This record gives sequence, C-alpha cells and structure tokens, in this order.
Amino acid sequence: DSGVTQTPKHLITATGQRVTLRCSPRSGDLSVYWYQQSLDQGLQFLIQYYNGEERAKGNILERFSAQQFPDLHSELNLSSLELGDSALYFCASSVGARGRGSPLHFGNGTRLTVT
Amino acid sequence: DAKTTQPNSMESNEEEPVHLPCNHSTISGTDYIHWYRQLPSQGPEYVIHGLTSNVNNRMASLAIAEDRKSSTLILHRATLRDAAVYYCVPQGGSEKLVFGKGMKLTVNP
Repeated sequence: DSGVTQTPKHLITATGQRVTLRCSPRSGDLSVYWYQQSLDQGLQFLIQYYNGEERAKGNILERFSAQQFPDLHSELNLSSLELGDSALYFCASSVGARGRGSPLHFGNGTRLTVT
Repeated sequence: DAKTTQPNSMESNEEEPVHLPCNHSTISGTDYIHWYRQLPSQGPEYVIHGLTSNVNNRMASLAIAEDRKSSTLILHRATLRDAAVYYCVPQGGSEKLVFGKGMKLTVNP
C-alpha cells in the first residue's frame, strides 16, 4: 500500500460530460502529480502541485484542470469528455517539490471509460 | 529533460539474477536516477534510486556507471512477482518527471 488514495476506482461516463477525480496524498507529502496512461501512449505527465501551487505542467489539455486544496488533497477535472480521454489516471505524491532524491508514490489509479 | 533508452523487453528465469539496463547519456550532473516498476492493473511502484554510488535496498540493487550515462537495476533472485514493466526515470531540476515506455520483464517459472 503506497498510502496514496484515489477515488473512484472506476468511472464510466458519456462523451461531453464532466468528471472529477480525487487524490489524497501520502501523509506528509506536499507534492501531487497527475499522470494519464492509455494503451498506446504510456505514462504521460499532466500536472504537478506543491503545497497548493501549480509547479509544472505537462501535456495537459485545456479541457482538463486540477487543483490542490489546503488539506493537500487534489482533484483533476476533466470536461467535454471525448472517447480518446478513456485511460487510467494516476495520482502520485512526494515529499518535496522536485523529484531528485524524493521518490514518487503512486495510487492505484482511476480507470475512466468514455462511451 | 534527460532521455532514456531501455530494451523493449527481457526474459529471465525464476530464482536467477536479472540485470536491467538503462542508458541516460543526457543526464545532468544533479539528476538522480530512479527506477519504478508497474504490475498489471496497478500504479507504478518505486524500486530504488541513486545519484553516483551503487545502492542496495530490500528490493534490488542499482549500479550506476562511473560516467553516469547508464545504470543497471539488479534483481538478485527473480520471482514471478517481479514480472512487470520497469521504468528508468532521471529525476532532477525539472518537475516534469517523464516516464518512457519502460521495459517489460517476463519471468519464466
């Protein structure tokens, strides 16, 4: 158990809809990272927050947004969903703001299916 | 961001040592080298990391070349539970932690 909790585990929704994925980091970790994993793309970095502030952005679509709250949990909002957004979405947390010597601890993901 | 090169796949036999290579020739002097693995239907799991010296933990050993352009993850006695996709990930000044496609390890009984 990594200590990172993601909810829900599975989500099925229709095109055009909006969903929110939630992540609770490991106790004591200040950074939260979001990744998307689809079959043909591997793990794609989306965005990172550190102590409530955005620190880095990857290949995150404009239809997607995220935030980290004062209690350090994070939410990833996906809107105007398309079939291609179907994927596994992982949250990870770490102690520091930058990777370096601070390993990431991943949750077990939310599997999103857009029909 | 430093780029990595790993074989697409490797096979090993149970209870034998396995050496998983990674080339990271563009790594910067302050980038740590992290290894993660991902079992089917699970999130990636941290395995080990190091900067310059070889490192050991209960899961594996990490051998880092003197020029730091490559590293090798060593599983001393492979088990069926070690079958996974292994990622070599340089982690440094950029917060954009980039995972490549990784390397699939198959362990034969």
